[in-house]
Amino acid sequence: QQQVRQSPQSLTVWEGETAILNCSYEDSTFNYFPWYQQFPGEGPALLISISSVSDKKEDGRFTIFFNKREKKLSLHITDSQPGDSATYFCAASDNNRIFFGDGTQLVVKP
Amino acid sequence: GPKVLQIPSHQIIDMGQMVTLNCDPVSNHLYFYWYKQILGQQMEFLVNFYNGKVMEKSKLFKDQFSVERPDGSYFTLKIQPTALEDSAVYFCASSLEPGGNTEVFFGKGTRLTVV
Repeated sequence: QQQVRQSPQSLTVWEGETAILNCSYEDSTFNYFPWYQQFPGEGPALLISISSVSDKKEDGRFTIFFNKREKKLSLHITDSQPGDSATYFCAASDNNRIFFGDGTQLVVKP
Repeated sequence: GPKVLQIPSHQIIDMGQMVTLNCDPVSNHLYFYWYKQILGQQMEFLVNFYNGKVMEKSKLFKDQFSVERPDGSYFTLKIQPTALEDSAVYFCASSLEPGGNTEVFFGKGTRLTVV
């Protein structure tokens, strides 16, 4: 059973729009949810993260909204820029494990 | 910042041959991982490794796969023999803790092409 699911698989937005990337998870013991950003030819790198005690985490144009009851979270990228074009991985972890979703490929058109 | 180095960046190998992918993790990290990625999309977990042992492995971690990290040397993924479906980008990663509020650092990947 896949522990972390992401949608959509790919997303295209225009420059300046808000991109919304969705994520859900299975195991209610997960308590930490990082998002990783991957550019072509590179490995994923940590972008922003949230713990299960918070319902929102903001860092510049990137905001995570977290709904513990529904086991869902989303990453909002406001004022999207062409440089934000990348694959975004949602992950979930407890004290012993970390699981990654399949990724959302974001394209921001100028 | 901390870096995970992977050597080589690209490897082409004949089907049936053995290949070893090398990873130099972040120096003080204790947990090591291999992930497989096809077509720049899905990041699939293969195995994690701690204190000289495989802690967890996925169904993708076939019998032909093995990992080790002799003291002070690379964390390696060996595939013997290779198959066409092993063609992918393999990412090594490391972390200080196994989960929780810990950052996982990834290398740039080794693109393996089995012909």
